[in-house]
Amino acid sequence: AQKVTQAQTEISVVEKEDVTLDCVYETRDTTYYLFWYKQPPSGELVFLIRRNSFDEQNEISGRYSWNFQKSTSSFNFTITASQVVDSAVYFCALSEVGTYKYIFGTGTRLKVLA
Amino acid sequence: GAVVSQHPSWVICKSGTSVKIECRSLDFQATTMFWYRQFPKQSLMLMATSNEGSKATYEQGVEKDKFLINHASLTLSTLTVTSAHPEDSSFYICSARALDRASYEQYFGPGTRLTVT
Repeated sequence: AQKVTQAQTEISVVEKEDVTLDCVYETRDTTYYLFWYKQPPSGELVFLIRRNSFDEQNEISGRYSWNFQKSTSSFNFTITASQVVDSAVYFCALSEVGTYKYIFGTGTRLKVLA
Repeated sequence: GAVVSQHPSWVICKSGTSVKIECRSLDFQATTMFWYRQFPKQSLMLMATSNEGSKATYEQGVEKDKFLINHASLTLSTLTVTSAHPEDSSFYICSARALDRASYEQYFGPGTRLTVT
């Protein structure tokens, strides 16, 4: 069965600290897609990144970076020099091939303190 | 592009009444729309998948007679919560897959917050 695990329920950091959000997934598919979304207090999901199972290159976008490792079924997300505006709930998701359903992890609530 | 809207953004209704939530794809045609429910401090749980012109497919444990989904056109899907009760109070989010874009992409609406008193 498909599953996404975000073991960190809540993380608090002080502004300017680096923080890594963990995501571990389970799937039997050889082709799949992984996503990270940010959900601020307003509730609207903000798309951050998509990665397909054949592309294990790490990606950096400004203060955000992602580490995808198929060997450990992990897709971790790091925020460098965190800011108060980064405070939100972050979800990792896995897309099922065929049904195109998204399976969301339980989310990690990040609090960045000034 | 790929904007999805939801209406209303929030609604308060009395127990026993029905409420309809609209999900529209504004600048693309949606082959498939998904409805999610999110309780406070919880994750998004898929309720149902709807394809234009077809009956919706509901996830296990979701009452199809209570949550009526209609996907009458390629740009509009509606979710009707019938005989709403306080336990139906939740944040409802829709998403859509585009007819002419990558199949794995879903575009999310801003959500509708339902409170049943």
